[in-house]
Amino acid sequence: AQSVTQLDSQVPVFEEAPVELRCNYSSSVSVYLFWYVQYPNQGLQLLLKYLSGSTLVESINGFEAEFNKSQTSFHLRKPSVHISDTAEYFCAVSQTGFQKLVFGTGTRLLVSP
Amino acid sequence: DTAVSQTPKYLVTQMGNDKSIKCEQNLGHDTMYWYKQDSKKFLKIMFSYNNKELIINETVPNRFSPKSPDKAHLNLHINSLELGDSAVYFCASSQGQRLMYNEQFFGPGTRLTVL
Repeated sequence: AQSVTQLDSQVPVFEEAPVELRCNYSSSVSVYLFWYVQYPNQGLQLLLKYLSGSTLVESINGFEAEFNKSQTSFHLRKPSVHISDTAEYFCAVSQTGFQKLVFGTGTRLLVSP
Repeated sequence: DTAVSQTPKYLVTQMGNDKSIKCEQNLGHDTMYWYKQDSKKFLKIMFSYNNKELIINETVPNRFSPKSPDKAHLNLHINSLELGDSAVYFCASSQGQRLMYNEQFFGPGTRLTVL
């Protein structure tokens, strides 16, 4: 069975500082990995995903995540955060070829001025 | 234009009641989902429908009955509500079932509180 661990329930950071949100997964088979973002009072939106190929994937708003198979991790990073990045971030995994997403418990990113 | 919409946004009810949550998507997708997010923010899939046919049922109590009258709608009916049913319920949709090709789009959620 697959599972996802997001160790940090909340990450406070100052504007323009770098941030890393951690995600570790467990699976006995190949997986696809996803990061979703949930802004206040909204549904989840796909931020980025790893399917195959390059282990570093990027989003259009400056986030990136690196798939590390040996460490079973898919940490999300951004070199300089904005106030508008304040949101809940969910890591998710799916067994290759299947549609079911298994989510972590989320990390709340709080960006303050 | 809201891609995936849910009604109501908030639902407060007494134990033992029966309630429904409605979901509609205007994206032309053929696959829809219901997820439950509990008080610890754990988000877990409940059901998935493809072209009105049930394809995932994650050992959800049979008090929960999804109904898909057409591809654009997936409603969730809950009988005999219990305190443990209190959660945020998210609807989602995608075009097709293969995650590697088809992003899931989520609704804003329905916060159900059972008293």
